[in-house]
Amino acid sequence: GENVEQHPSTLSVQEGDSAVIKCTYSDSASNYFPWYKQELGKRPQLIIDIRSNVGEKKDQRIAVTLNKTAKHFSLHITETQPEDSAVYFCAASSGNTPLVFGKGTRLSVIA
Amino acid sequence: SQTIHQWPATLVQPVGSPLSLECTVEGTSNPNLYWYRQAAGRGLQLLFYSVGIGQISSEVPQNLSASRPQDRQFILSSKKLLLSDSGFYLCAWTRGSNQPQHFGDGTRLSIL
Repeated sequence: GENVEQHPSTLSVQEGDSAVIKCTYSDSASNYFPWYKQELGKRPQLIIDIRSNVGEKKDQRIAVTLNKTAKHFSLHITETQPEDSAVYFCAASSGNTPLVFGKGTRLSVIA
Repeated sequence: SQTIHQWPATLVQPVGSPLSLECTVEGTSNPNLYWYRQAAGRGLQLLFYSVGIGQISSEVPQNLSASRPQDRQFILSSKKLLLSDSGFYLCAWTRGSNQPQHFGDGTRLSIL
């Protein structure tokens, strides 16, 4: 079955700097890759997703890149702000199976 | 628009007591439904998912069970709670394969 590895587990950046979180997946049939943000005590919320027919997708300060050959995808947050502090989860699925989540990255943006 | 409701928000139960958590989705039909558990500071563990009424797939063997008595209703149950059942329980739904998955607000369960 699918296995998703996420790195780093914790990340601290200065306000205004960029943050990058990376995930790798094992199942070459996976074709949907969402990213979730979970603030303390709250539900995970979808922030961006990408499908395998696209190499990059951007939404304001957030972007996701996908390398199907290497089987990895990354979340990029530019001009980080304190409110970006949260736990971020990547996930992957092949369509016929439920999402498989990474273990999460705790991002701290230091003002 | 679609909404997902999950209740209760918090629950404190003694060891050995039964459990029933309910989740309902509005504004869509035949959703895929999911139950996750999240231990404090940890990741998301998929417990059960359902692609239709009466269809339940279990991901982890445990003393929990799930049922889907109606199209947009998903229930998580236990006959006897264990201390290890404590956690944050999240219900989620999607329209289908490779579609965005949306979570409910969760139930924080504490076992005493």
